[in-house]
Amino acid sequence: AQSVTQPDIHITVSEGASLELRCNYSYGATPYLFWYVQSPGQGLQLLLKYFSGDTLVQGIKGFEAEFKRSQSSFNLRKPSVHWSDAAEYFCAVGTSGTYKYIFGTGTRLKVLA
Amino acid sequence: DVKVTQSSRYLVKRTGEKVFLECVQDMDHENMFWYRQDPGLGLRLIYFSYDVKMKEKGDIPEGYSVSREKKERFSLILESASTNQTSMYLCASSFRGARAGANVLTFGAGSRLTVL
Repeated sequence: AQSVTQPDIHITVSEGASLELRCNYSYGATPYLFWYVQSPGQGLQLLLKYFSGDTLVQGIKGFEAEFKRSQSSFNLRKPSVHWSDAAEYFCAVGTSGTYKYIFGTGTRLKVLA
Repeated sequence: DVKVTQSSRYLVKRTGEKVFLECVQDMDHENMFWYRQDPGLGLRLIYFSYDVKMKEKGDIPEGYSVSREKKERFSLILESASTNQTSMYLCASSFRGARAGANVLTFGAGSRLTVL
């Protein structure tokens, strides 16, 4: 079955520390991969996406993610977290020509001053 | 910037009431979506529309219907609201096909519905 797993429900980091949010997927076709961020009371905003090509993708707000096909992973990273990064982060998987996107259950990030 | 606007940010309704959630996008997107977001469950697709008057059921369509009379507007209807429909509802849109920006969802700010 197709699925997306975000194993960490909550993560707490100190401001200035590095961050890695994990995402693993199970998907039969060649996947399109996404990371979205949701600030409290808001909708989801696209951080970055991977369709093909270079497996290290850069996104907005200093985030990057690496697609590792062998590990079925698409982990999100940031070298130095800012207090404004506190939010909930969603990994999602889709494929070309389909409207079906599968979302993970989200990771809530807390940033300590 | 693409704008997806959900007309109501917060609604409180009573059990049995008919509820309309409206969504408008201004970028000529063909695809429009309604998702439901609940803690620990992520986003679940209720309905999808790929063109005017066209709709397809998502993963959890029971208790919901939709209407798309114009390309820019996609409405979610709860014919008889129940307490288990208390949730955050997110509208999204995207281009269809192979053009640039296809497959990327743009979301509205959400409508938080409470059914008493």
